Amino acid sequence: EVVMTQSPATLSVSPGERATLSCRASQSVSSNLAWYQQKPGQAPRLLIYGASTRATGIPARFSGSGSGTEFTLTISSLQSEDFGVYYCQQYNNWPPLTFGGGTKVEIK
Amino acid sequence: QITLKESGPTLVKPTQTLTLTCTFSGFSLSASGVGVGWIRQPPGKALEWIAFIYWDDDKRYSPSLKNRLTITKDTSKNQVVLTMTNMDPVDTATYYCAYRVGGSSYFDYWGQGTLVTVSS
Repeated sequence: EVVMTQSPATLSVSPGERATLSCRASQSVSSNLAWYQQKPGQAPRLLIYGASTRATGIPARFSGSGSGTEFTLTISSLQSEDFGVYYCQQYNNWPPLTFGGGTKVEIK
Repeated sequence: QITLKESGPTLVKPTQTLTLTCTFSGFSLSASGVGVGWIRQPPGKALEWIAFIYWDDDKRYSPSLKNRLTITKDTSKNQVVLTMTNMDPVDTATYYCAYRVGGSSYFDYWGQGTLVTVSS
């Protein structure tokens, strides 16, 4: 099983600042990595797939990078609506599909 | 417009069998490459993938839950059904169904989720 580890657990960022979230895989997942945003009481929303391709309708301030075992989600200029928990998911080596433990983004 | 909605009991007793239905619209599960999965999330915890069914009826299960799970589809009704046997309080979670458009197994669209509590 591919274990996904996200850091930090919590990130406090002021509006307009950059937020950088990390995701590490226990073995290479190539570029088969997705990022989701989840707000309280809501289902996850797909942000990024293929490590760096934005999903339909996702603002350009969200960008993904990385390959192999190290991945980054960057929010270039944090908006107030960007609070929530962010999850990475690998789909290279499955079953099982595996998610990271999440990074909670708080608005400072 | 693609929508998915989960339905089923909100409360089950330990040892009982849970049956959840995902009813969807806006796509066909007979289209090549597509699939529907189930993911759960215990309160305050991370997402956990459970099962997946392909358009051609191929199925994948979480190894840790495999012996307890069955996933089926009814293409004519636009439904996917998940059954989980021998429910335990640790299975208390919000259960989501989600749609994979095709090719790679990330989820483009999600249902709103349904909270299932396991308690006597």
